[in-house]
Amino acid sequence: NAGVTQTPKFRILKIGQSMTLQCAQDMNHNYMYWYRQDPGMGLKLIYYSVGAGITDKGEVPNGYNVSRSTTEDFPLRLELAAPSQTSVYFCASRGESGNTIYFGEGSWLTVV
Amino acid sequence: EDKVVQSPLSLVVHEGDTVTLNCSYEVTNFRSLLWYKQEKKAPTFLFMLTSSGIEKKSGRLSSILDKKELFSILNITATQTGDSAVYLCAVVFNAGNNRKLIWGLGTSLAVNP
Repeated sequence: NAGVTQTPKFRILKIGQSMTLQCAQDMNHNYMYWYRQDPGMGLKLIYYSVGAGITDKGEVPNGYNVSRSTTEDFPLRLELAAPSQTSVYFCASRGESGNTIYFGEGSWLTVV
Repeated sequence: EDKVVQSPLSLVVHEGDTVTLNCSYEVTNFRSLLWYKQEKKAPTFLFMLTSSGIEKKSGRLSSILDKKELFSILNITATQTGDSAVYLCAVVFNAGNNRKLIWGLGTSLAVNP
């Protein structure tokens, strides 16, 4: 059982480049989340999805986009990367009736 | 405004000490409170609490919820250096037709030998 899988684990981007962080879960969870966590800070919600085809903004959506074409996948796209987007990104999922959140291992992104 | 507040923000103790971490919340339509431990990577699940007064226990860790006073505590007895981590609290609640989560900022625990 793979759970929540994120790729890549590490990436260095140049300012202005674009990239997509991939997230997949094999638990048939409806709810999926993207968080960023800056050093010494709490988790901040970027985008979330309550099911395939439905996404919504979280606390810090600017500079990011998401899509949810399938239940399994919830990619996060960074357009025109900025140094302020240097962070650790976590994807997470939760089932419809469950309250436990399952996290991916994280993606360390540096924008230089 | 819905919020989750953890205290203290950081704590330094010696091995063998007992620590108590606090998580208070203000949300409507509460469903559950979750505790996670985060070391260098992703948060790992510790406890889920939904009912008041029922202690959840796992080894040296235990947690309890007070839904009247709107808080939870996480206790760690006989602390070890491996307990050094950030402990995160999250609250799940109903908001309209959706279920939402709010995270606290975490308590950073350092256990010195």
